[in-house]
Amino acid sequence: EVQLVESGGGLVQPGGSLRLSCAASGFTFSNYWMSWVRQAPGKGLEWVANIKQDGSEKYYVDSVKGRFTISRDNAKNSLFLQMNSLRAEDTAVYYCAKDGDGYIQPPFDYWGQGTLVTVSS
Amino acid sequence: DVVMTQSPLSLPVTLGQPASISCRSSHSLVSSDGNTYLNWFQQRPGQSPRRLIYKVSNRDSGVPDRFSGSGSGTDFTLKISRVEAEDVGVYYCMQHTHWPPYTFGQGTKLEIK
Repeated sequence: EVQLVESGGGLVQPGGSLRLSCAASGFTFSNYWMSWVRQAPGKGLEWVANIKQDGSEKYYVDSVKGRFTISRDNAKNSLFLQMNSLRAEDTAVYYCAKDGDGYIQPPFDYWGQGTLVTVSS
Repeated sequence: DVVMTQSPLSLPVTLGQPASISCRSSHSLVSSDGNTYLNWFQQRPGQSPRRLIYKVSNRDSGVPDRFSGSGSGTDFTLKISRVEAEDVGVYYCMQHTHWPPYTFGQGTKLEIK
């Protein structure tokens, strides 16, 4: 059974930092791109970033470029999101999602339960 | 970036009746490989999103056959043949032909009338 379990969310002041983690199991983690998707309270879904299987390619939505860094540890089946210079508009539930394999498998067949990040003074 | 526009944004439906959600993209979603990368997701209240449909019309495993996807180019539709109570939630289309970024529609909230 595929499982994605996020952790690391919480309350942080504007300008602060937070590191999210996602523990993956039930599939060959190193075979798939991985993504972070967020959802502000009462709002829709927004893709944030993704990372290639070997970590050699990373992409970000414009609004987080230069502030967020996605990374992974294939030996530990883990995905991370380092968030710096946080703003109120970054307040959201952050989901870890299994992305595609770059060939046949389309993205987002599995999602975690999400972790809430609140940026407020 | 490709803009995805859904309509309606709110969809009250009587149990047992059909429902239809439209999704339009600002650019054609036909990829250079000939595929069209348009997915549909369901998000029930308090839950994480769940993928229902991939590549326009392919149902994911476990998705009831009352859900169907269709369309081409820039116009796509998700149809529910007979709405059940468990279908309440928000539905999103998403494209991954032209990325980054992946882009989602605003969401359509389906409720029981």
